[in-house]
Amino acid sequence: GAVVSQHPSWVICKSGTSVKIECRSLDFQATTMFWYRQFPKQSLMLMATSNEGSKATYEQGVEKDKFLINHASLTLSTLTVTSAHPEDSSFYICSARESSGSLYEQYFGPGTRLTVT
Amino acid sequence: RKEVEQDPGPFNVPEGATVAFNCTYSNSASQSFFWYRQDCRKEPKLLMSVYSSGNEDGRFTAQLNRASQYISLLIRDSKLSDSATYLCVVTGGKLIFGQGTELSVKP
Repeated sequence: GAVVSQHPSWVICKSGTSVKIECRSLDFQATTMFWYRQFPKQSLMLMATSNEGSKATYEQGVEKDKFLINHASLTLSTLTVTSAHPEDSSFYICSARESSGSLYEQYFGPGTRLTVT
Repeated sequence: RKEVEQDPGPFNVPEGATVAFNCTYSNSASQSFFWYRQDCRKEPKLLMSVYSSGNEDGRFTAQLNRASQYISLLIRDSKLSDSATYLCVVTGGKLIFGQGTELSVKP
């Protein structure tokens, strides 16, 4: 089956620093990848949709200058949390859609737990 | 009003019990519906799609009532391994997740 990896799986950083999270589709090409955030006991919330070779589309309320997304290849999308603050501490999950697949058939990565101190 | 609302949890049930989860959604234009399972600190995994005619996969049965904008998931003969959070998901140009209902199956 389709596999999506994320790196790192967890990260602790100091307030004010930037953190980059990678999302890779290992055995398929993904023209579209999605970035979600999940706070404890809450639902996954879509942050942005990442399209290979073009700018990401951000959901309402998500600061594009704070959460930088780059989707430079068909197998890799990165999310950079810039100037991280403790309130950015969360579980970040990416998903990927096969180029020929349905919009709703998404394969999820294992997630990255970010803690900002 | 939340786009997708689920029963508050947690549900604590003994092994072998039957448990039902409910979910309502607000967008009548939603076309596709799913149940996902999420284990603690892990990614969500697709459990099953939900169809208007209802569908069953082993011990799991999903039902959809479009008129009431209501989705349900029934788990029969609960196993310890069923312990997880169950997420109701609807579509509306994107996947919209409910906050989940936690299930704990005890011996």
